[in-house]
Amino acid sequence: EAQVTQNPRYLITVTGKKLTVTCSQNMNHEYMSWYRQDPGLGLRQIYYSMNVEVTDKGDVPEGYKVSRKEKRNFPLILESPSPNQTSLYFCASSEDTERNQPQHFGDGTRLSIL
Amino acid sequence: LAKTTQPISMDSYEGQEVNITCSHNNIATNDYITWYQQFPSQGPRFIIQGYKTKVTNEVASLFIPADRKSSTLSLPRVSLSDTAVYYCLLKAAGNKLTFGGGTRVLVKP
Repeated sequence: EAQVTQNPRYLITVTGKKLTVTCSQNMNHEYMSWYRQDPGLGLRQIYYSMNVEVTDKGDVPEGYKVSRKEKRNFPLILESPSPNQTSLYFCASSEDTERNQPQHFGDGTRLSIL
Repeated sequence: LAKTTQPISMDSYEGQEVNITCSHNNIATNDYITWYQQFPSQGPRFIIQGYKTKVTNEVASLFIPADRKSSTLSLPRVSLSDTAVYYCLLKAAGNKLTFGGGTRVLVKP
């Protein structure tokens, strides 16, 4: 089954404790992206990757890192989480963006930073 | 940077047609217009995409006028399960993808 898998689905942690949210897709998609969703603000793009070893900033990249060492994986790293990063996070992938292919989204990861 | 504007919310009743209009005055020549549906605690789900005129699939229709400065998503004969947030999406410059604010549709019995 074609899917985007995020882990963990829920996490409560404390300020400053490094964490990684994993994202994996099994569709051989070139493009992957991370979004955060906050009440009243819709979905905002954090980082995206056009292909392996190619990443770029989205609209709200501050406080986040990503890597794309393999095509299928695109982890989101919070080196020193802060309470303002408490949010619902979504990973997405698409075949590419040149032809505006639809994005497939994971089921989300709810992070609470205390 | 293309920006979209949608109504914040809309109410409807089962069996009615729901039309949601998205404004995108600065759409670029190469941009496609894409609509997503999102249920609570789930990721957005692709509904329909178009470039101009009219596109129809088994779920919805998308109407795009010649100037492409707006688009209208049409959901025929909605049911309670169509209650969701609907997002209008354009491909922005530099491969950034920007979602609009979304329209919360509530379908009542």
